Amino acid sequence: GAGVSQTPSNKVTEKGKYVELRCDPISGHTALYWYRQSLGQGPEFLIYFQGTGAADDSGLPNDRFFAVRPEGSVSTLKIQRTERGDSAVYLCASSLGLAGGLETQYFGPGTRLLVL
Amino acid sequence: DQQVKQNSPSLSVQEGRISILNCDYTNSMFDYFLWYKKYPAEGPTFLISISSIKDKNEDGRFTVFLNKSAKHLSLHIVPSQPGDSAVYFCAAMNSNTGNQFYFGTGTSLTVIP
Repeated sequence: GAGVSQTPSNKVTEKGKYVELRCDPISGHTALYWYRQSLGQGPEFLIYFQGTGAADDSGLPNDRFFAVRPEGSVSTLKIQRTERGDSAVYLCASSLGLAGGLETQYFGPGTRLLVL
Repeated sequence: DQQVKQNSPSLSVQEGRISILNCDYTNSMFDYFLWYKKYPAEGPTFLISISSIKDKNEDGRFTVFLNKSAKHLSLHIVPSQPGDSAVYFCAAMNSNTGNQFYFGTGTSLTVIP
């Protein structure tokens, strides 16, 4: 089966605009994660879904960031009133979601967001 | 506060020799560790993992060593190949408190033919 896919691969927007980033996890994976990677840094955790619910959103930087996963598969990360500091690569990962499991997270190629 | 640190931003190794990538962490509650490899314009790809009940895990040319007392792990690649040239990230998790990984800043490995 296919790996994690993310669309768009690149997004250029203007400061103040709204953007949506999409993630299609590996089929059958119930856990889904969003990370943000700034230049020269490692990925930083944003939010984790188990099924349809956000089990941990402690990494979201502020209330301009929101993510949904209404049917427990595809997820959308939404950023309102974008700022230049939001420019980064947004990575999505998925895993099986087994209870108590020490699981490997499989990453998509990322969406490169540039806010002008 | 960087809980996972990779203090060497880059490393160059001759083909056929051993590559050793290092990672240090500060949170003694971390109990699961992974190494990811990343090529430009791609997402990180899982390489190898180790749980805190072990001190070594080997998979082909790749071996990860964990020293819990020193809060240190390392990835050994032997023999190194030009295709190993990539950025390597270590990641750590406390499985008792959540599923988020904490990543280091990466080490760029160049294997010289």
